[in-house]
Amino acid sequence: NAGVMQNPRHLVRRRGQEARLRCSPMKGHSHVYWYRQLPEEGLKFMVYLQKENIIDESGMPKERFSAEFPKEGPSILRIQQVVRGDSAAYFCASSPDQQGAYTFGSGTRLTVV
Amino acid sequence: DAKTTQPNSMESNEEEPVHLPCNHSTISGTDYIHWYRQLPSQGPEYVIHGLTSNVNNRMASLAIAEDRKSSTLILHRATLRDAAVYYCILRDLMGSARQLTFGSGTQLTVLP
Repeated sequence: NAGVMQNPRHLVRRRGQEARLRCSPMKGHSHVYWYRQLPEEGLKFMVYLQKENIIDESGMPKERFSAEFPKEGPSILRIQQVVRGDSAAYFCASSPDQQGAYTFGSGTRLTVV
Repeated sequence: DAKTTQPNSMESNEEEPVHLPCNHSTISGTDYIHWYRQLPSQGPEYVIHGLTSNVNNRMASLAIAEDRKSSTLILHRATLRDAAVYYCILRDLMGSARQLTFGSGTQLTVLP
């Protein structure tokens, strides 16, 4: 039973390009959460999704960031027109329900040059 | 959300027990106490959780004060692989809790 799979593990983008981060939740988990961790800082919640629905996006920047969790396939966090300040580790977690423990992926480390 | 307070850092010697404290004086009756840890360059990992009674699992023990205003995560025999940031988090699972909110945690250093 594979855990939460995130890819790519490392992603380098030039300023102004788009970044697409993928997250496949654990089998049987329908709740997905995205977190961002800036260098030397703590984990900040970004967005919570269930299949085809955004439940809570209170932590998402209002511009350039979007997330989806389609009926089929992984959850995608999309960052348009990246800037240096977007460089961070992005972690995805999944849970079987709203009360369950989270299982985190190993993260995607985004570097904007 | 009820808040938790943890020491910024702690040190332990290898193969000795470690007691990681957490204060949560404003905890509500329906808040569960959760612990996660984050090893270097990895995502956080669930450790243990409890409501009122002490809890044990293969990773650790959780001791909860009678008034629930504090708790302690106990690693019975620290190894070098236990060096991580440990987060104490309150979750109201009976309410409309949506997501885990991480504080700054305790950086545990294990000395050989």
